Amino acid sequence: GNSVTQMEGPVTLSEEAFLTINCTYTATGYPSLFWYVQYPGEGLQLLLKATKADDKGSNKGFEATYRKETTSFHLEKGSVQVSDSAVYFCALHTSNTGNQFYFGTGTSLTVIP
Amino acid sequence: DAGVIQSPRHEVTEMGQEVTLRCKPISGHNSLFWYRQTMMRGLELLIYFNNNVPIDDSGMPEDRFSAKMPNASFSTLKIQPSEPRDSAVYFCASSPSDRATEQYFGPGTRLTVT
Repeated sequence: GNSVTQMEGPVTLSEEAFLTINCTYTATGYPSLFWYVQYPGEGLQLLLKATKADDKGSNKGFEATYRKETTSFHLEKGSVQVSDSAVYFCALHTSNTGNQFYFGTGTSLTVIP
Repeated sequence: DAGVIQSPRHEVTEMGQEVTLRCKPISGHNSLFWYRQTMMRGLELLIYFNNNVPIDDSGMPEDRFSAKMPNASFSTLKIQPSEPRDSAVYFCASSPSDRATEQYFGPGTRLTVT
């Protein structure tokens, strides 16, 4: 079956610290992988995506590399800001499951000044 | 583009009452999804539609929940009768094609059942 496992939160970092949020997946077929971000009181927004192995998605200083050998898609940012405080969701989509997405449980990040 | 529109943004109701949540997807998107988010269960897919037809409703918790999509620009999620355990944030999302690789989420409806 298809599933996503991401690291438990909450995560608290000081401003300018390095961020890693781990995500691993199980999928049938060839999934596309995504990171979504949810700011307080809002819906989820696409942060970045990668559609095939070894692709790197990047946006707003965040990046994640699609690693087929380790079935992982870890989110990283070199220097976090207070404005990055949000909940981050890893997700996958495979064409052989219709149009359904599979989301992880979310990781809450708080960045303190 | 206005994005996915949901109404109401907040709903407070008493146990046993009927609740109807509404969603207007992005124009031209032909897939629509309803999700429920709680602290305990995280984000759960309830049902999704392709071209106004329900494709997978296995996530609908029980018969008290029903969803309709009478046309390409409108969908409803109804709970009748509502219970306190239905309290959650309900999100609607849409995507542009049957095999889309990105979903666009609405702002959500926060439902509180007392």
